[in-house]
Amino acid sequence: GAGVSQSPRYKVAKRGQDVALRCDPISGHVSLFWYQQALGQGPEFLTYFQNEAQLDKSGLPSDRFFAERPEGSVSTLKIQRTQQEDSAVYLCASSRGQGAETQYFGPGTRLLVL
Amino acid sequence: QKEVEQNSGPLSVPEGAIASLNCTYSDRVSQSFFWYRQYSGKSPELIMSIYSNGDKEDGRFTAQLNKASQYVSLLIRDSQPSDSATYLCAVRSAVNLFFGTGTRLTVIP
Repeated sequence: GAGVSQSPRYKVAKRGQDVALRCDPISGHVSLFWYQQALGQGPEFLTYFQNEAQLDKSGLPSDRFFAERPEGSVSTLKIQRTQQEDSAVYLCASSRGQGAETQYFGPGTRLLVL
Repeated sequence: QKEVEQNSGPLSVPEGAIASLNCTYSDRVSQSFFWYRQYSGKSPELIMSIYSNGDKEDGRFTAQLNKASQYVSLLIRDSQPSDSATYLCAVRSAVNLFFGTGTRLTVIP
């Protein structure tokens, strides 16, 4: 595709609800990253995939956060039992090779947990 | 934890002036440095990357890197109102990017 796409663009969830955020990377991009950006802060790394392999999940804040990329293309970030502190913009980025190139960001999903 | 520090601003400059944005980082082994621009409500957009000590120029933008001082900066010449945005400094460690909190720049017409 022309760029990284994410859906939904906006999500309002009640506390305790599970949510799933989708990322479609640029076609053919090997590496995929998820970031969390709180209001007024820079993006913070959550997790990294190379093809279908999750090589780094050190940034996931708790075991309520889970990410997958089963076929090495589309990725889903799932948050279980959402809490108010999960409210943020979730950004997905992809890069052509094995991570050490320019990362192209999607528009993000703005999550609000009430 | 890799730390990237930026002044949050806001930084205000008049149209046509030079805007100077600064960033320091803590990880001495970092080799790749980036400046992203983020308009309000939008995603980060890469504007400059720099890997070697010294200056790198691209149009109105100049990135400067000093690895000994662990310092990277971005100069914007002939600032335009359209340059008003938050500028994020990012440092790569392995494959991951670590971002600063960003500096909000306002260019006053």
